[in-house]
Amino acid sequence: TQLLEQSPQFLSIQEGENLTVYCNSSSVFSSLQWYRQEPGEGPVLLVTVVTGGEVKKLKRLTFQFGDARKDSSLHITAAQTGDTGLYLCAGVKGSARQLTFGSGTQLTVLP
Amino acid sequence: DARVTQTPRHKVTEMGQEVTMRCQPILGHNTVFWYRQTMMQGLELLAYFRNRAPLDDSGMPKDRFSAEMPDATLATLKIQPSEPRDSAVYFCASGLVGLAGGPLTYEQYFGPGTRLTVT
Repeated sequence: TQLLEQSPQFLSIQEGENLTVYCNSSSVFSSLQWYRQEPGEGPVLLVTVVTGGEVKKLKRLTFQFGDARKDSSLHITAAQTGDTGLYLCAGVKGSARQLTFGSGTQLTVLP
Repeated sequence: DARVTQTPRHKVTEMGQEVTMRCQPILGHNTVFWYRQTMMQGLELLAYFRNRAPLDDSGMPKDRFSAEMPDATLATLKIQPSEPRDSAVYFCASGLVGLAGGPLTYEQYFGPGTRLTVT
């Protein structure tokens, strides 16, 4: 059973368009992370959000943590072909900071 | 440039054979995690260690999977006997947490993965 559901599962857009990916949880986590994974590689951390309502920006990427700390969104402005990849949200919990990953969103940005 | 390394990168084996995957965590990190990634299940946490001690391995089938850390520079994941349903990419990740769990912005660093195919 996936504790973290992501939508959409697949997204194909043209370069220059905007997009939003959603991550919804049935649980409250101490923090939530977003990763990007490219083919043949492991996930790479993009951002960690900790406080309910928090908004973080990373160039053209905007991350938001819901007030109840159970949902999050990733918004990309003016997508580029280099943004293509698998985007994963992950809930952080426990003394070892173990991760529970979402189902993933495969983004393809077409030139 | 510190990074997590995993060997082998690819492994093809027949059902019933033993498979051993190895991971070298980043020097100085005190937590090590094993994950499995498939199209159907996504990324699943199998087991993790803190200061080489196993904390939780409830995510993996106990009858055939085993995870160990013989020393601080080596973590192993063994499958015996392997089955076709074990085909997946297996990732190792390492990180650093303090005694109280560490900062909430703690990061895990992932290796490149071992792609396992069991025929």
